[in-house]
Amino acid sequence: EAGVAQSPRYKIIEKRQSVAFWCNPISGHATLYWYQQILGQGPKLLIQFQNNGVVDDSQLPKDRFSAERLKGVDSTLKIQPAKLEDSAVYLCASSPGLHGYTFGSGTRLTVV
Amino acid sequence: AQTVTQSQPEMSVQEAETVTLSCTYDTSESNYYLFWYKQPPSRQMILVIRQEAYKQQNATENRFSVNFQKAAKSFSLKISDSQLGDTAMYFCAFMKPTTSGTYKYIFGTGTRLKVLA
Repeated sequence: EAGVAQSPRYKIIEKRQSVAFWCNPISGHATLYWYQQILGQGPKLLIQFQNNGVVDDSQLPKDRFSAERLKGVDSTLKIQPAKLEDSAVYLCASSPGLHGYTFGSGTRLTVV
Repeated sequence: AQTVTQSQPEMSVQEAETVTLSCTYDTSESNYYLFWYKQPPSRQMILVIRQEAYKQQNATENRFSVNFQKAAKSFSLKISDSQLGDTAMYFCAFMKPTTSGTYKYIFGTGTRLKVLA
């Protein structure tokens, strides 16, 4: 079984630029999650999709972050404009339910 | 709100020795799950062990076991016969069902474990 795929693996941008991350979950997993992991901290949930609908985006900074999951499969997370404090690893995860929760390897974003 | 606290930012252990990582959590939920995840430099979050709150018996997975004290809201991880490959960040996590029928994690800040040769 293929895992959760994320790209790019690394990204360096200047502040005020925009950036997008891509996630391809495990086939058949209805639920998709985006987490932000700042250095020295645990992952924090940004947004959760059930199929192509958002079920929790309470911690997503909506003035600059957006995410979509068209057709209930792949998802993209966008930051526009980026700030220095957005430097972090962005992890995508998917699950079919309680069990089988699987993380991708993340995208490390550096904002300079 | 639920919180997860890991009070040991860093720990080290000699190869083949035993080490215990601490975790406490706070919740008013009765139905929840607890996990330990390992995150090596590759950044992949790897599930180490899972505990259902309704089960009194402590979970065990090969060299990994937990000490689950529900009343004290404590969930420590014991690694026996430590191996160099156990070197990683370890995150304690709390999971609860949401109103939408899905599940949500809350993670602690992690403990960096180094196994010494």
